Amino acid sequence: GQNIDQPTEMTATEGAIVQINCTYQTSGFNGLFWYQQHAGEAPTFLSYNVLDGLEEKGRFSSFLSRSKGYSYLLLKELQMKDSASYLCAVVDSNYQLIWGAGTKLIIKP
Amino acid sequence: NAGVTQTPKFRVLKTGQSMTLLCAQDMNHEYMYWYRQDPGMGLRLIHYSVGEGTTAKGEVPDGYNVSRLKKQNFLLGLESAAPSQTSVYFCAGSRGSGANVLTFGAGSRLTVL
Repeated sequence: GQNIDQPTEMTATEGAIVQINCTYQTSGFNGLFWYQQHAGEAPTFLSYNVLDGLEEKGRFSSFLSRSKGYSYLLLKELQMKDSASYLCAVVDSNYQLIWGAGTKLIIKP
Repeated sequence: NAGVTQTPKFRVLKTGQSMTLLCAQDMNHEYMYWYRQDPGMGLRLIHYSVGEGTTAKGEVPDGYNVSRLKKQNFLLGLESAAPSQTSVYFCAGSRGSGANVLTFGAGSRLTVL
């Protein structure tokens, strides 16, 4: 079967750095997405990785290792507005999206 | 530019009632999707469409029907609502298949009593 694992919940301090991990086992791989979802709102696109390595976009970076079936989202200089759920999703061999259950990130002052 | 708009935002139904959720997009997306989101679970695909006049089943299609008569609209119908269909429903659109960025609607919270 296809499976995506993310921690259910993480807590971090304002101004700090946090790394949210995502491991996957899917039938084929055609890319990995990270979406951000604030409570009661729609998911919004953060990043897309299809090749190994680190993609940096401002305070957010996303890393991919296809050989390890592993990705992480790195958030720097945390702000209170970063409190949200972060969803990992993998594009499988049929170009279908497989979603993780999401990681709820709580930022404390 | 409205993006992806879902109506209604909230609805309460009694078991056995029917209803339709409407998704409208003005982004010229070819692909449109209906997902449901339940606590502790990832987004689950109900039905999707790869273009006007086409529809296909997703992971959890039972109890739902869809239609895409016009490119900009994707309707999700519940013929006989059940409590298990209590969920938050999201419509999304994209330019192409799964490797394209999804733009989501704001969501529709449905409660079936």
